[in-house]
Amino acid sequence: EAGVAQSPRYKIIEKRQSVAFWCNPISGHATLYWYQQILGQGPKLLIQFQNNGVVDDSQLPKDRFSAERLKGVDSTLKIQPAKLEDSAVYLCASSWGDSNTEAFFGQGTRLTVV
Amino acid sequence: GENVEQHPSTLSVQEGDSAVIKCTYSDSASNYFPWYKQELGKGPQLIIDIRSNVGEKKDQRIAVTLNKTAKHFSLHITETQPEDSAVYFCAARSWGKLQFGAGTQVVVTP
Repeated sequence: EAGVAQSPRYKIIEKRQSVAFWCNPISGHATLYWYQQILGQGPKLLIQFQNNGVVDDSQLPKDRFSAERLKGVDSTLKIQPAKLEDSAVYLCASSWGDSNTEAFFGQGTRLTVV
Repeated sequence: GENVEQHPSTLSVQEGDSAVIKCTYSDSASNYFPWYKQELGKGPQLIIDIRSNVGEKKDQRIAVTLNKTAKHFSLHITETQPEDSAVYFCAARSWGKLQFGAGTQVVVTP
C-alpha cells in the first residue's frame, strides 16, 4: 500500500513570497490533515478535511494560509505572503475514517523562509 | 484546549538499557493516547497507543501505561537497540483533536 505522498520535499523562499505544498493521501482515506512542525516542537494541526469538507481549521492563520481538497482526494496548502516564522516542516496525514482512526503521516515538506 | 507536556526533552541510554518517557495531559475528556516515533527526515509513525479504558498495553519491547487519575502516561522501551534512536512524541486526543507533546530525542549508544 502506497503511503502519503508530499511534494516538494524542500523549499526555500524569501519572505513575502508565496508557496504551495501538495499532498496525495492513502487511497480511500476520507480524512486529511495538515500539520505544522516547528523545529524542536511537536506537530500542530492546521486544518482537517473530511472528504472535501473542512472539519477543523481553528488554528489555521487564515490571513495568509489557505488549503483546499478538491474532489476529496489531493490537497494543497498555500502560504501567501510567507513570514520568517513560517519556517517549519509541513506534514500531511490521512486516516480512513474520522479523527478517531489512526493517522498515517507523509515525509513532510521542509520550508525555509529567508 | 488540551495541553500535553513531555519529559525529558533528550534521553541518552546505553544499548540494552531501558528508556522511559513521561507525559502529562490537562483535559480529563482525553480518551486516546498514541505514541509516535519520528526518524530524521521522515514523518511520525505510530508505534503504540492506549485508550482511556485500559491501564497498560505491551507490544514486544514497548509498553505504555496510563494513569487517568493523575492524568499522566508513559512509554517504556526495554532492551534498547541503536535503531530505537529517534524522536518520540506522545499525544492526547480530546474532542477528536490530537495534541502532541514537544518530543523526546532518544539516543541509544552502543
